[in-house]
Amino acid sequence: GAVVSQHPSRVICKSGTSVKIECRSLDFQATTMFWYRQFPKQSLMLMATSNEGSKATYEQGVEKDKFLINHASLTLSTLTVTSAHPEDSSFYICSARGGLPGELFFGEGSRLTVL
Amino acid sequence: EDQVTQSPEALRLQEGESSSLNCSYTVSGLRGLFWYRQDPGKGPEFLFTLYSAGEEKEKERLKATLTKKESFLHITAPKPEDSATYLCAVRRRDNFNKFYFGSGTKLNVKP
Repeated sequence: GAVVSQHPSRVICKSGTSVKIECRSLDFQATTMFWYRQFPKQSLMLMATSNEGSKATYEQGVEKDKFLINHASLTLSTLTVTSAHPEDSSFYICSARGGLPGELFFGEGSRLTVL
Repeated sequence: EDQVTQSPEALRLQEGESSSLNCSYTVSGLRGLFWYRQDPGKGPEFLFTLYSAGEEKEKERLKATLTKKESFLHITAPKPEDSATYLCAVRRRDNFNKFYFGSGTKLNVKP
């Protein structure tokens, strides 16, 4: 199946700093990628839809100035958590559509810990 | 309001003890129900897509079925390597991008 790679897998940062997470589709072109957030024992919550060459579409309640998304190429989307605070600590997962209808392939996830 | 509810929250089985996981949903205009497996600290891994009531899909020890209100993931003679969290998600016909995920069932299969 298609491979989506996410980096870094773990990051620890100080409060107030910004952190960038990369999501790459390794063997296919992804015009649309998705960013999810997952809290312990909870479901994945869609944060935003990243569209290649245009602005991301954010879900209600997600601060677009805090979670900056850039989809500069057909294989790379980035999520930057700006001025991170401890409440931003979470598991962030990206995904991209596969070849079959409805298939979503997920990255390995990035565990962010803000001290 | 669209909802996806999975039960049980956690399930402990002995190796070889078959069981079923449930995913009930309320969504207007269903356009696909999806099952994923998630290992700790990893992203979900795609398992199945079901589109219409009565549809069934199988993969090794797993079989997914769909009715108009719920889906079941049947696990036959599970092995310890089947231990994981199983997530289901639904998608609406009017928004192909948005997947509504349940909170998952954490399965632990003991040898």
